[in-house]
Amino acid sequence: EVQLVESGGGLVQPGGSLRLSCAASGFTFSTYAMSWVRQAPGKGLEWVSGISGSGGSTYDADSVKGRFTISRDNSKHTLYLQMNSLRAEDTAVYYCAKEHNYYVSGSPNYFDYWGQGSLVTVSS
Amino acid sequence: QSVLTQPPSASGTPGQRITISCSGSRSNIGSNTVNWYQQLPGTAPKLLIHSSNQRPSGVPDRFSGSKSGTSASLAISGLQSEDEADYYCATWDASLNGRVFGGGTKLTVL
Repeated sequence: EVQLVESGGGLVQPGGSLRLSCAASGFTFSTYAMSWVRQAPGKGLEWVSGISGSGGSTYDADSVKGRFTISRDNSKHTLYLQMNSLRAEDTAVYYCAKEHNYYVSGSPNYFDYWGQGSLVTVSS
Repeated sequence: QSVLTQPPSASGTPGQRITISCSGSRSNIGSNTVNWYQQLPGTAPKLLIHSSNQRPSGVPDRFSGSKSGTSASLAISGLQSEDEADYYCATWDASLNGRVFGGGTKLTVL
């Protein structure tokens, strides 16, 4: 059974940093791309970042480019999101999502499994 | 403002058939397949339709998807109260070099 468990969320001040983790199990982690998707309170879904199975290719939404860094440790079956220079508008539930393919880009590709989410609140 | 455009709300009565539209452009829907996700209240999203018209195992055949040009649609037939949820379309955008979602459609079963 595929399981994705996020951790590391919490309250942080504007300008601060936070690192989210996503522990994966139930599938061959290095074979699949992974992404982070967020949802601000009462709002829709927004894709944040994606990374290929090897970690060699990464993609970021313009809204987080230069501030967030996605990475993975295939030996630990864990996905990470390092978030720096946090702003109030980054407040959201952050979901870890497994891609159906090795690569993030193009199609057909889709998120076939999602974690339960981790809440990040940026406030003073 | 989302790259993909969905109606913010839709409604229907039990047993009815409804459709939710998703409009994009050549760089996203026009050149990639479309996926649909269902988000029940207070839960994580769940894959509903992938590759424009494919249902994952376990998804009832009441749900179907289609794509034509730069638009896609999700149809739900035999509407049930448990279908009340938010629905999102999504695809890859070659110009933005990233994934894009629609703004979401809140479905109410009257």
